[in-house]
Amino acid sequence: QKEVEQNSGPLSVPEGAIASLNCTYSDRVSQSFFWYRQYSGKSPELIMSIYSNGDKEDGRFTAQLNKASQYVSLLIRDSQPSDSATYLCAVTDSSGAGSYQLTFGKGTKLSVIP
Amino acid sequence: EAGVAQSPRYKIIEKRQSVAFWCNPISGHATLYWYQQILGQGPKLLIQFQNNGVVDDSQLPKDRFSAERLKGVDSTLKIQPAKLEDSAVYLCASIGGRTSGRSPYTDTQYFGPGTRLTVL
Repeated sequence: QKEVEQNSGPLSVPEGAIASLNCTYSDRVSQSFFWYRQYSGKSPELIMSIYSNGDKEDGRFTAQLNKASQYVSLLIRDSQPSDSATYLCAVTDSSGAGSYQLTFGKGTKLSVIP
Repeated sequence: EAGVAQSPRYKIIEKRQSVAFWCNPISGHATLYWYQQILGQGPKLLIQFQNNGVVDDSQLPKDRFSAERLKGVDSTLKIQPAKLEDSAVYLCASIGGRTSGRSPYTDTQYFGPGTRLTVL
């Protein structure tokens, strides 16, 4: 049974600070890693994807992947109140049939305090 | 490009009643997913279709849930009879899949707005 673990939070950071969100996964064959943002009452929206070890930066967002430690993180620099949402970590692999299924964590609720 | 469409957006029923949800994926997307998201949890996959065939329904409670995608485009998910624990948001998502020519590992799953089901 594949598992994706996240701290449920809430994580509170002041506006302008760096928010750090963490995720661990159980399945070593996981190949692709995603961070989704979900505002209350809305559907998940992809904000970052990462496929190889190291860092990937996109604007104020940086995803970090360490496959040896089975760990993926998301850093949000210069946090804004509009970043307040639940952040879902998701991983996928190939079942061999190329079924491309996402396994989600429970999400971390982030609150950015003005 | 139009997004994933779902209806209804909200549904309230009593336990033991039946309910159906509808999803229309992004045009041309071969792969369609139904997820169940209970409050405070991440989405959980119920069933995956590739065109009009089922790829994986191992997590679908088949004694009460059914789903179909007869013409390989839109899909319906049905619950009959509903239980209190079925209260959740039901999300539909789609990706282009291998037929799009892109790697499935880099395709983005696009989610619809979801249907919020309340079972009383």
